[in-house]
Amino acid sequence: KNQVEQSPQSLIILEGKNCTLQCNYTVSPFSNLRWYKQDTGRGPVSLTIMTFSENTKSNGRYTATLDADTKQSSLHITASQLSDSASYICVVSRYGNKLVFGAGTILRVKS
Amino acid sequence: GAVVSQHPSWVICKSGTSVKIECRSLDFQATTMFWYRQFPKQSLMLMATSNEGSKATYEQGVEKDKFLINHASLTLSTLTVTSAHPEDSSFYICSARDQRLAGGYEQYFGPGTRLTVT
Repeated sequence: KNQVEQSPQSLIILEGKNCTLQCNYTVSPFSNLRWYKQDTGRGPVSLTIMTFSENTKSNGRYTATLDADTKQSSLHITASQLSDSASYICVVSRYGNKLVFGAGTILRVKS
Repeated sequence: GAVVSQHPSWVICKSGTSVKIECRSLDFQATTMFWYRQFPKQSLMLMATSNEGSKATYEQGVEKDKFLINHASLTLSTLTVTSAHPEDSSFYICSARDQRLAGGYEQYFGPGTRLTVT
């Protein structure tokens, strides 16, 4: 069954701290893996997209990793800011372009 | 670039009425558009996929006569919720992509439309 599981479900951190969100998937055939940030009441915004051959990609303070062998990905946020408070969604694309969505990790950054 | 807009951003309608939601790609041509529904604290669920000029393909369990999708041009798709009921209240999000482009698998999401049926 094609699934994407994210952990933790929710996370609270202090402003300025780092955090890492996890994503495990069983999607096949694999095309690419994306991380999105979704603010409350808004549509998802793409942070990174990685294909099979890429194992790390950065976008500012966001760094995503991909281990295609173990089917795991992580999103590391450095020096968190209050504006990082959002839901972070891991999405895996199958060949044929069907997207399989994770349930998301709700991050809250406190001052 | 790659901006997708939705209109309206929120709408309240009475039970039994119909409501139309527009999705536009502002700076690219969308050969394919997707409609998603998202309930509180849940992830996005794909409702249907539409290709310009063709009939939409609906996901299992989505009533095509209730959720009418029209993708008449390369920049506009509409979702009409017919005879809306309170259980249709949700956050509706569209996304779009141009499959003709290199890397055209990237989907760009709209800001979403909050529908409340009273």
